[in-house]
Amino acid sequence: RKEVEQDPGPFNVPEGATVAFNCTYSNSASQSFFWYRQDCRKEPKLLMSVYSSGNEDGRFTAQLNRASQYISLLIRDSKLSDSATYLCVVNIVYGGATNKLIFGTGTLLAVQP
Amino acid sequence: EPEVTQTPSHQVTQMGQEVILRCVPISNHLYFYWYRQILGQKVEFLVSFYNNEISEKSEIFDDQFSVERPDGSNFTLKIRSTKLEDSAMYFCASSETEPYNEQFFGPGTRLTVL
Repeated sequence: RKEVEQDPGPFNVPEGATVAFNCTYSNSASQSFFWYRQDCRKEPKLLMSVYSSGNEDGRFTAQLNRASQYISLLIRDSKLSDSATYLCVVNIVYGGATNKLIFGTGTLLAVQP
Repeated sequence: EPEVTQTPSHQVTQMGQEVILRCVPISNHLYFYWYRQILGQKVEFLVSFYNNEISEKSEIFDDQFSVERPDGSNFTLKIRSTKLEDSAMYFCASSETEPYNEQFFGPGTRLTVL
């Protein structure tokens, strides 16, 4: 089983649509969770951290379910500028200072005018 | 806003040559990382570095790779004898005071091995 699994897409949606991305992870040592976005040939940029209580940042809402090891991202009222690859990322912390990010393969979103 | 910087943006080298990729992490950050992304594939962890030593490394990070923080600001990745399969985008990242904090990535160095 992949450590972090995402639907690769592409998701083609019209402007203004609501789109949801899902992700599952397998390592129970995962301690923190993030969504990053990556534009073509650019670095991953942090979109938001994900908490069990759920968190919202403008049009973006993220949710974590630790029991089912499931992470989601909802984008409302999508804009052309939201077109990118969305990366589900978990932080495996082994104890002390030892940690690493594990990335999913990413879900490609294309917002159409 | 503080950011991670990397140089060069693109490095072309011949197979078997040594390369050094340079990074300047965000100044008050304590944890430093290297990741790579082969074209069309996912981002992969290489190594993490804290308190002047490697804290974790992946199986990709073999004896051909090394990292160093030679002064208070730079963080370098050296590949001793490059192979064709080392061609990738290499990203440096840093995080603040705890290992579970968000990591912020530099713009990357595209390494092409001929």
